[in-house]
Amino acid sequence: KAGVTQTPRYLIKTRGQQVTLSCSPISGHRSVSWYQQTPGQGLQFLFEYFSETQRNKGNFPGRFSGRQFSNSRSEMNVSTLELGDSALYLCASSGTGGGNTIYFGEGSWLTVV
Amino acid sequence: DQQVKQNSPSLSVQEGRISILNCDYTNSMFDYFLWYKKYPAEGPTFLISISSIKDKNEDGRFTVFLNKSAKHLSLHIVPSQPGDSAVYFCAASTMQGAQKLVFGQGTRLTINP
Repeated sequence: KAGVTQTPRYLIKTRGQQVTLSCSPISGHRSVSWYQQTPGQGLQFLFEYFSETQRNKGNFPGRFSGRQFSNSRSEMNVSTLELGDSALYLCASSGTGGGNTIYFGEGSWLTVV
Repeated sequence: DQQVKQNSPSLSVQEGRISILNCDYTNSMFDYFLWYKKYPAEGPTFLISISSIKDKNEDGRFTVFLNKSAKHLSLHIVPSQPGDSAVYFCAASTMQGAQKLVFGQGTRLTINP
């Protein structure tokens, strides 16, 4: 069974640009969530999608957005990039309901210059 | 306001001995807890979880203990092996917001031969 797959693994963008990151969840998982990891703030929840609807949202500005498709694949977008957006962006997937294990992908390393 | 705290940034243990990693939380609504292991530039790997209806869960060398009254959980690894050297994160969620994990800052575990 394939794990959570994220693309691209590494990318470099310039301040002011926008970026789109992609995530394919584990087969059968309908919930996809996104996290940001930085040295200063640690691992922080961005948002969660279930059945193409945003179900939970963290405390990030509106420049961070996401969506989920009917096949449960998800994308997140960051517009007007700032230097502080440089981070490891992690996608996670899980089955439905509480108490389900949440599995993470390898992450997308974004560097903003 | 850090709702999940891992007060020890690092821990060094002799190979073969027991490693004990600690985690405290403040939000009494949390009822599901997970431990993850993470290597640099990789996504977190799920280790073990526990729901608030239990006070102990075991899986091989890993045991998690939950003390609800103290809002404290710990991960025991026995015996510790060199491959266990990594950063360990505890995470908490509620059954309602199950996929919204709140992470501690992590503890770097080093196993010495």
